[in-house]
Formats: sequence, structure tokens, C-alpha cells
Amino acid sequence: GESVGLHLPTLSVQEGDNSIINCAYSNSASDYFIWYKQESGKGPQFIIDIRSNMDKRQGQRVTVLLNKTVKHLSLQIAATQPGDSAVYFCAENPYSSASKIIFGSGTRLSIRP
Amino acid sequence: GAGVSQSPSNKVTEKGKDVELRCDPISGHTALYWYRQRLGQGLEFLIYFQGNSAPDKSGLPSDRFSAERTGESVSTLTIQRTQQEDSAVYLCASSLHEGNTEAFFGQGTRLTVV
Repeated sequence: GESVGLHLPTLSVQEGDNSIINCAYSNSASDYFIWYKQESGKGPQFIIDIRSNMDKRQGQRVTVLLNKTVKHLSLQIAATQPGDSAVYFCAENPYSSASKIIFGSGTRLSIRP
Repeated sequence: GAGVSQSPSNKVTEKGKDVELRCDPISGHTALYWYRQRLGQGLEFLIYFQGNSAPDKSGLPSDRFSAERTGESVSTLTIQRTQQEDSAVYLCASSLHEGNTEAFFGQGTRLTVV
């Protein structure tokens, strides 16, 4: 099956600071790029997406940046809270028909009190 | 409930036995996805359904794995002659329609093959 990034790096952030989680993707033809959050023992939860013709999109406390030149996606979380502790996955719809969601590498976000 | 429901939540089976995992998607969601997640790892795409059809089965690891969906609702993932390497959490998700980026996931079925 398709999957990218099978070992999870960890990002440790002080509570209240901003977090930046990065992801590299390979398929330039993807129509959408997406971020999901997975808390321990739960299924992933949608956070935000961005269409390939955009370079920035903001949500509540989150911002996603897309750099197509270097095939890089990032998720910025403002004023990180303990509830933000989770594994964050980037994902993409790899084809213009956007039929399936392929998950990329995950990053574990740990919050220091 | 209004979310995606998977059963059983945990399954322990002996090597060589067949198992059937069930997913009840959110009512009205036409797209349904199955993923496998090994401990501490990412999500591995297995198969997706649009209605009752499976346009993409490319992620199924072997012919021991099969899935079906009926009534544009419940889906079952069947693993025949289970092997220890099949041990993982199997996650099901549904979305309103094909191409929707917001997929809603169930809690998963944790399969342990002993």
C-alpha cells in the first residue's frame, strides 16, 4: 500500500509558543494538500486543506503554507496548547479527480508545560 | 451516533484464521476508505469505495485481503488466513463524496494475530 515516512519524528514545543510542522511531498499533480491530527487511540481528524493553486490558507489558530517550488507543506499552530499534543499527518489527493487521500509522514507534537 | 462506527474495536485471532472487520460510515457519505496503521507508523491506503464500487484497490497487500460495500452503506474488510504481519489498526473513513478532502475516521479495529 501507499504510505510515506514510516518513522515519526518528534517536535517538542513550549506551551504558548507557535509550532511549525513540516512535510515534503512528491506528487506535483496533487490537487489538494491536507493536514490531519491524530490523538492517541483515535482516528485522524481533519484540520485544514489547501488547494494547489494557493500558497497560504488560515484557519482557527492554524495556517497552512504550500511551497510548490520545493514541494514543501507546513502547518503552523499559534499559541500551542496541551490539547494540541498529537501526531500530525500531511496528506494529499494525488490525482486531479481527487479520488483518494494518501497520507504522508507524521510528526509527533509534544507540549512542554 | 453520527460518526463512523467500526466493529469490533479489538480482535485477537490465531494465525491462519479468517477475520471480518466492519465499518458503518456516516449516513449519506458516498465515499468510504480503508487504511492500515501499524504501531507508531503512518496510514497505509488499502482501498476506497465510491458508492458500492471500488475504483481503486491498489493498496490491498495481497489476495488474502478483500473488501465489499453494500447499500452504499456498510463495508466489510476480510482478511483470509491471517498472518502475524497483518497485526495493525485498521481504520475506516467516509466522506460526503469522492474527492472531498475532509474524511471522517472511525476509532479503528485493533487486530492482533497470535
